[in-house]
Amino acid sequence: AQSVTQLDSQVPVFEEAPVELRCNYSSSVSVYLFWYVQYPNQGLQLLLKYLSGSTLVKGINGFEAEFNKSQTSFHLRKPSVHISDTAEYFCAVSAWNTDKLIFGTGTRLQVFP
Amino acid sequence: DTGVSQDPRHKITKRGQNVTFRCDPISEHNRLYWYRQTLGQGPEFLTYFQNEAQLEKSRLLSDRFSAERPKGSFSTLEIQRTEQGDSAMYLCASSGLGYEQYFGPGTRLTVT
Repeated sequence: AQSVTQLDSQVPVFEEAPVELRCNYSSSVSVYLFWYVQYPNQGLQLLLKYLSGSTLVKGINGFEAEFNKSQTSFHLRKPSVHISDTAEYFCAVSAWNTDKLIFGTGTRLQVFP
Repeated sequence: DTGVSQDPRHKITKRGQNVTFRCDPISEHNRLYWYRQTLGQGPEFLTYFQNEAQLEKSRLLSDRFSAERPKGSFSTLEIQRTEQGDSAMYLCASSGLGYEQYFGPGTRLTVT
C-alpha cells in the first residue's frame, strides 16, 4: 500500500519570497507522483507530475518539484510566490500497477502582501 | 475540451434520503474516478471505471453506495439512506492515455 505525508499543514509566506512545500511518500513498488492545487470551492488542478526520467520536473505557474528516491520525497518549490498562489496544495501518489491516487492531507499556502 | 462536469454542485438532503450525483468526463477519456473529500483532508479514492467496467472499489464504499457508468460515458454515484457522516465533497476525475487525472468542480453534499 502507498501513503503520503505532507509535513506542513500551513505555510505562511510573504509575496515574492521563495517557498517549499514538503511531501514524503511510502511505497513498496514504483510510483508516479503528482502535485495538485485546489482553490476555494473548486476541484483540483494538476500542477506537475513525475512519471520517470529527469528527477526535476517543471509545472504550471512557475512551480517545480524534485523526486528524491532515496529520501522518498517529492517537494514542491517556487522561487517567488504571488498572492494568487494562495490555495491548498495536495501531493499524491499512485503505484505503477494501479490507477487510483492516494493523497496527502494537504498544505495550505497563505501568501501575504 | 470542456473539462469534467458534475451535477449538481450542491445538494442538501435530510438523513435517510437517497441522493444521486452525475459526472460527465472529458470526451474520449476511458477512465473515470470517484473520490470523497472531507473538510481539512485530501481526497479519498472511492471507485473507478475503465469504460463501463467498474475495476476497483474502496472499502470506504459501503453497501449504501453504488456507482455506474452505462455505455462508458457519464457516471452516476448514488448514496442510499444518507447519514450525516456522508457529508463531504464528492469529486469526479477522468483520464485518457496518460496518467494524469483531470478533476471536476465537485458536488458538495450536506446531510441534515
